[in-house]
Amino acid sequence: EVQLVESGGGLVQPGGSLRLSCAASGFTVSSNYMSWVRQAPGKGLEWVSVIYSGGSTYYADSVKGRFTISRDNSKNTLYLQMNSLRAEDTAVYYCARVRVVRAFSFDPWGQGTLVTVSS
Amino acid sequence: DIQMTQSPSSLSASVGDRVTITCQASQDISNYLNWYQQKPGKAPKLLIYDASNLETGVPSRFSGSGSGTDFTFTISSLQPEDIATYYCQQYDNLPTFGPGTKVDIK
Repeated sequence: EVQLVESGGGLVQPGGSLRLSCAASGFTVSSNYMSWVRQAPGKGLEWVSVIYSGGSTYYADSVKGRFTISRDNSKNTLYLQMNSLRAEDTAVYYCARVRVVRAFSFDPWGQGTLVTVSS
Repeated sequence: DIQMTQSPSSLSASVGDRVTITCQASQDISNYLNWYQQKPGKAPKLLIYDASNLETGVPSRFSGSGSGTDFTFTISSLQPEDIATYYCQQYDNLPTFGPGTKVDIK
């Protein structure tokens, strides 16, 4: 079964850092494009970042220079390192596999992990 | 960046009604348009990809159409389990989502 499980969320102070993990099963992370999408409380979905199978990475302007997407092939796990966190980064963060041949659609999704940035 | 708009932002309909949601892109995106369903407290679920292709296992009452800048998502006969927020998502250079349409039962 194809599955994604996120972890690492929690409460962090403004200016702090946090690393999210997304463990995959049923497929190989390094052979796929993988992405992070977030959802602030009561708001819509916002794409955050993508890592291509070849290793190229891209970010939304709102997180560029502060967030870093990466993967550990030996652990079949995707990461999101978040630095210089702001209150507006408070959200549920989802990881998702990108299906490039299907209009860059996201499937499956993890269950999400909540990040709260507050003093 | 490509902007996406959706209308309406919310709607109420009766069980069995036909429900239509529109999504408009700020520039031509060909058929690079996907639709998702998100139920409260759950992760989004892919329903339609490439504007009109039904994802495996998704009921046939869901459908999508359109190309270029204007797209439509339809539920042919609304069911109680369809209560959710529906999002369109485009991919041209980098992906963006529409603001969502909340669907509930009248």
